Amino acid sequence: EVQLVESGGGLVKPGESLRLSCAASGSTFSCCTMNWVRQAPGKGLEWVSSITSSSNYMFYADSVKGRFTVSRDNARNSLYLQMNSLKADDTAVYYCVRMGNAFDIWGQGTTVTVSS
Amino acid sequence: DIQMTQSPSTLSASVGDRVTITCRASQSISSSLAWYQQKPGKAPNLLIYKESTLERGVPLRFSGGGSGTEFTLTISSLQPDDFATYYCQQYQSFLYTFGQGTKLELK
Repeated sequence: EVQLVESGGGLVKPGESLRLSCAASGSTFSCCTMNWVRQAPGKGLEWVSSITSSSNYMFYADSVKGRFTVSRDNARNSLYLQMNSLKADDTAVYYCVRMGNAFDIWGQGTTVTVSS
Repeated sequence: DIQMTQSPSTLSASVGDRVTITCRASQSISSSLAWYQQKPGKAPNLLIYKESTLERGVPLRFSGGGSGTEFTLTISSLQPDDFATYYCQQYQSFLYTFGQGTKLELK
């Protein structure tokens, strides 16, 4: 069974950058499309980005397009999210999620706070 | 983009009640519909995928139905552990979208 552990969250100022990482352990990571989902404080779930198993395709929500970049390293069983030009609206818990049977495996989340 | 609309936003019920949450898609998504349960401070947990298939380990009191653009999540007899927030999600297209959530609270 795959386990996912996110890291890299923290407090940053508007306009700054942050890179999130997600380490996968357990069974095959490279099989599957991987995703980032976020949840602002007190709000619902928002899909952020997806990357296919061989990194052939990446997809982004309109709210982050042009600012965030998703990548993965299958040899290292790792997923990344490079976040640039951060805004206050990006403040959220960010989850790393595997697409197996739908979004079947979630990490515990890492918190990103964007505030001056 | 496909929009997902859940109703109700809040549902008050008692232990033992049968409850149903509805999710409507702005266009047909075939059976590419999942339901998640989330408790405060925790990551969501997949309950149902492909509209009606129970994820391993999910109690049989949970069931999913519908097709095309209208879907339901039914809990046949509420248990204390079921009071949580529920989300639907479409995965027909890569721009995956969630419903806004339904908070199931104790009456």
